[in-house]
Amino acid sequence: GQQVMQIPQYQHVQEGEDFTTYCNSSTTLSNIQWYKQRPGGHPVFLIQLVKSGEVKKQKRLTFQFGEAKKNSSLHITATQTTDVGTYFCAGPEAAGNKLTFGGGTRVLVKP
Amino acid sequence: GAGVSQSPRYKVAKRGQDVALRCDPISGHVSLFWYQQALGQGPEFLTYFQNEAQLDKSGLPSDRFFAERPEGSVSTLKIQRTQQEDSAVYLCASSLDLAGGHTDTQYFGPGTRLTVL
Repeated sequence: GQQVMQIPQYQHVQEGEDFTTYCNSSTTLSNIQWYKQRPGGHPVFLIQLVKSGEVKKQKRLTFQFGEAKKNSSLHITATQTTDVGTYFCAGPEAAGNKLTFGGGTRVLVKP
Repeated sequence: GAGVSQSPRYKVAKRGQDVALRCDPISGHVSLFWYQQALGQGPEFLTYFQNEAQLDKSGLPSDRFFAERPEGSVSTLKIQRTQQEDSAVYLCASSLDLAGGHTDTQYFGPGTRLTVL
């Protein structure tokens, strides 16, 4: 079945620095979604990318969908303590809307 | 309601007990999903409803797991004869199910943390 991998598993960042987390799917995706889960919380939808090569920005967060629609990245600039949490990418199965989630990148920010 | 709600938030069960977890989706949302999230892992799909019809139950790990949504709104996930490996957070999500080729945004509830002793 479809597999979604994320690297790195953990990201320790100094406050103010930039970092990027990567998502790779074993199959071509119709779209990719990103979620953020704060410690003790539940996944909260951030964004959906649909088009090949699409780039979307949300303030300090930049999301990109690969040309082959099999990978995606999330780049955060000037990291803040509010960015702490686990970032998941997820892609739909070929049939239906059920999502396959990656293992997540857990972000820890050092003040 | 404002969002997806789940109850109970925490459940401790002795091995062998049956448990029932409830999900109240966002009003008007057609699709409802159940996911299982083990500690330090991403959510894993269990089952999916469109209105009252259970269209996909391929993720249910065993026949001890059963889900229903009889009136197309509230859903219950039941686990019979719980085992220690069932310990996890059970997340419910709902989506509007718009027509078209895009995957709808799924809105997650706070989850039920199940601990089986």
